Amino acid sequence: NAGVTQTPKFRVLKTGQSMTLLCAQDMNHEYMYWYRQDPGMGLRLIHYSVGEGTTAKGEVPDGYNVSRLKKQNFLLGLESAAPSQTSVYFCASSYSGTSGETQYFGPGTRLLVL
Amino acid sequence: AQSVTQPDIHITVSEGASLELRCNYSYGATPYLFWYVQSPGQGLQLLLKYFSGDTLVQGIKGFEAEFKRSQSSFNLRKPSVHWSDAAEYFCAVGVRHTGGGNKLTFGTGTQLKVEL
Repeated sequence: NAGVTQTPKFRVLKTGQSMTLLCAQDMNHEYMYWYRQDPGMGLRLIHYSVGEGTTAKGEVPDGYNVSRLKKQNFLLGLESAAPSQTSVYFCASSYSGTSGETQYFGPGTRLLVL
Repeated sequence: AQSVTQPDIHITVSEGASLELRCNYSYGATPYLFWYVQSPGQGLQLLLKYFSGDTLVQGIKGFEAEFKRSQSSFNLRKPSVHWSDAAEYFCAVGVRHTGGGNKLTFGTGTQLKVEL
């Protein structure tokens, strides 16, 4: 049981390049989330999904797109990377149980946009 | 909209001393509240959570937190800190949305340093 995994761990992009970050979970969780973490700002929600085939915008969605074609995967895309998207990206998944909902986080992807 | 304030950016304590990390939230209804810990280069690990019921909640690694509605606070405590507790701590408030799932709003974090 690997929990939440993220690929890649680290990436360097040039301005204008595109890339996709992959999040996978093996806990059969219904809900999945993408956050970005910047120094002094905590984590901010980019997009989230409440089930396969559904996505919704979070707090800071501009410049990102997402897809949830399979329940276990949640993809985050950057179509044209900008230096402002340099950040650490975290994926999380959760389910709603009898003791409430807890989000489980992946190890993060560090992205540098030059 | 909900918000979370962690007023202390950095805290330094001696090993064996007690610890209290402050968290204040703003939300109109009863919130879901969480404390997460992040070690350098790692993801976030849940320490404890409050959904309802007993306002004093116990977590992993000897941590506890108390929900005080009158003060809109959810402070994290540990009676005796270990050097391995050095990390960054995040408080978060969760709001359930109609489609399912929980939208978390995080504080900016408190960096804990432990002196030996």
